[in-house]
Amino acid sequence: GAGVSQSPSNKVTEKGKDVELRCDPISGHTALYWYRQSLGQGLEFLIYFQGNSAPDKSGLPSDRFSAERTGGSVSTLTIQRTQQEDSAVYLCASSPGWGGGADTQYFGPGTRLTVL
Amino acid sequence: SQQGEEDPQALSIQEGENATMNCSYKTSINNLQWYRQNSGRGLVHLILIRSNEREKHSGRLRVTLDTSKKSSSLLITASRAADTASYFCAGRSSGNTPLVFGKGTRLSVIA
Repeated sequence: GAGVSQSPSNKVTEKGKDVELRCDPISGHTALYWYRQSLGQGLEFLIYFQGNSAPDKSGLPSDRFSAERTGGSVSTLTIQRTQQEDSAVYLCASSPGWGGGADTQYFGPGTRLTVL
Repeated sequence: SQQGEEDPQALSIQEGENATMNCSYKTSINNLQWYRQNSGRGLVHLILIRSNEREKHSGRLRVTLDTSKKSSSLLITASRAADTASYFCAGRSSGNTPLVFGKGTRLSVIA
């Protein structure tokens, strides 16, 4: 079946511009995560959606970052007034739920963002 | 904040040898998972071990969990060049909290 997809795969933008990154999770998965990974580094948790609960935004680095998940499916991560330090690979993952085996996360291929 | 911290940060071994990576975590967990990442892009789930389990096997992978020491280890037996990747542990605290990843171990298997 179809996995998690992300678009675009690569995005180059100029400092100060806004960008939108899209994530299509696996159908039926109730949990969706956004992470950021800088070159050679680990994953930095950004935001987490679980069903109809309020999202956990505790990982968002600044108020320039926001995310939505419409209809419990597609999610968009928006970065306003991009800065060079925002350059990274942005990874999206979905899971069937949370707790036990439902926790297994399925990752998309990521969006590589470069801010010039 | 990061739940898991892998050790070593980098590991280089010969093909056929075993590779052992360790993970320590800070708070109580519901489960702990290991993921592999090739070429700096998407991660692939390897194995999940629950807090009431001590050891789990999957093919050439063996994972142990010691909740008293808040640590886990991933053993890859008879390593292959294709095992070259970064390996991450990730833990979820009890309750509706997000899965949090460590910084990873970069494994290089030399043919």
